[in-house]
Amino acid sequence: QVQLQESGPGLVKPSQTLSLTCSVSGASLNSGGFYWSWIRQHPLKGLEWIGHIYHTGNTYFNPSLKGRVTISLDTSKSQFSLKINSVTAADTALYYCARARKYPTGVDFDSWGQGTLVTVSP
Amino acid sequence: DIVMTQSPDSLAVSLGERATINCKSSLNLLDGSNNKHCLTWYQQKPGQPPKLLIYWGSTRAYGVSDRFSGSGSGTDFTLTISSLQAEDVAIYYCQQFYRAPFTFGGGTRVEI
Repeated sequence: QVQLQESGPGLVKPSQTLSLTCSVSGASLNSGGFYWSWIRQHPLKGLEWIGHIYHTGNTYFNPSLKGRVTISLDTSKSQFSLKINSVTAADTALYYCARARKYPTGVDFDSWGQGTLVTVSP
Repeated sequence: DIVMTQSPDSLAVSLGERATINCKSSLNLLDGSNNKHCLTWYQQKPGQPPKLLIYWGSTRAYGVSDRFSGSGSGTDFTLTISSLQAEDVAIYYCQQFYRAPFTFGGGTRVEI
């Protein structure tokens, strides 16, 4: 059974870079058929898909993040990572990593980490 | 972006009674290649991540109780809990996977 676990700083200053890592067990990041995703949950705005990465290294992002996002893969460590630069208070959220199932048109999310709260504040 | 609108925001249902949650999409979610709808339902209990319940609009995920059923077509979808149990208290979300960016409904809180 696949398990995912987020890690990273819980507090980030405005204008700095948010960095999180997701450690995966029970599944290979090298295998096709799945994307490796980041999703965040705002207290008042609900769930927002941030983006995902395929084992080939191809990435797909939500345009709402306006080019501030990077997702990378380290298969040797069975980890993938998220970076969001130039953060503001609007980036305060509970961040989840998740495995995304690939459909012809898109993805849904069948396994999730427990989530990690990131607060943007001076 | 495709907008997903859920209703009601919350509902209280007696144990053993039926709960009905609605999800409306701003675009038809039918995948013409297989005649299935690109919609997934999740359940989120307090302090936990969302759990995938139903995909393709009506297919239950492995291990999900048959109390949960999904229906609908085009832009209008429904999640039904046939006989509410205490462990079903949660927030339920719909999500479309028809087109990126993949978007979620605002959630419906189900209480006893």
